Amino acid sequence: DAGITQSPRHKVTETGTPVTLRCHQTENHRYMYWYRQDPGHGLRLIHYSYGVKDTDKGEVSDGYSVSRSKTEDFLLTLESATSSQTSVYFCAIRGQGLNYGYTFGSGTRLTVV
Amino acid sequence: AQSVTQPDIHITVSEGASLELRCNYSYGATPYLFWYVQSPGQGLQLLLKYFSGDTLVQGIKGFEAEFKRSQSSFNLRKPSVHWSDAAEYFCAVVLTGGGNKLTFGTGTQLKVEL
Repeated sequence: DAGITQSPRHKVTETGTPVTLRCHQTENHRYMYWYRQDPGHGLRLIHYSYGVKDTDKGEVSDGYSVSRSKTEDFLLTLESATSSQTSVYFCAIRGQGLNYGYTFGSGTRLTVV
Repeated sequence: AQSVTQPDIHITVSEGASLELRCNYSYGATPYLFWYVQSPGQGLQLLLKYFSGDTLVQGIKGFEAEFKRSQSSFNLRKPSVHWSDAAEYFCAVVLTGGGNKLTFGTGTQLKVEL
């Protein structure tokens, strides 16, 4: 969707290696979110941010960290990737006021071997 | 605990038939409600949303949804399904405040028979 991009789109990594996924927005939205999608589970929230340097945990945050040093970028880091973190990762941004709603990026397919 | 339930994992309908996908939520207050669609290998596209007011909401692609407070439900409907509607559908809710975290149901996979 316009205004939000994720990189990389695909990544294969080895168990135990660190991995960083990037979410970039051009909408200047305050709120950003990281989700993972797995069959049978829908999308589950990993972490979210409500401003620069302001982040909080979601329901499946173990093994993940995030950082937001500027409004437009929200990084998700797997400190030491495990096979259970093989998933599709989606970033989302949330508008406010009349533009309240969530816009999702195209996703990053991560495979941990 | 707050939750969103989509009771039907898979649904198969014939092209031209009507469709209803179920969604129930368990929240103390009325949340904001959304339906998203995801085609294979694609991202999520918003079909419609409900915040307040008229409980029947019109969305894109001919979809509509009705909020029923007494049943804590927000079911998605379409009068006549097209083969291109085959996809996975997600209901999602957010309770305002506390980060406005969007919580998803587990999804319903729709198959359309020609």
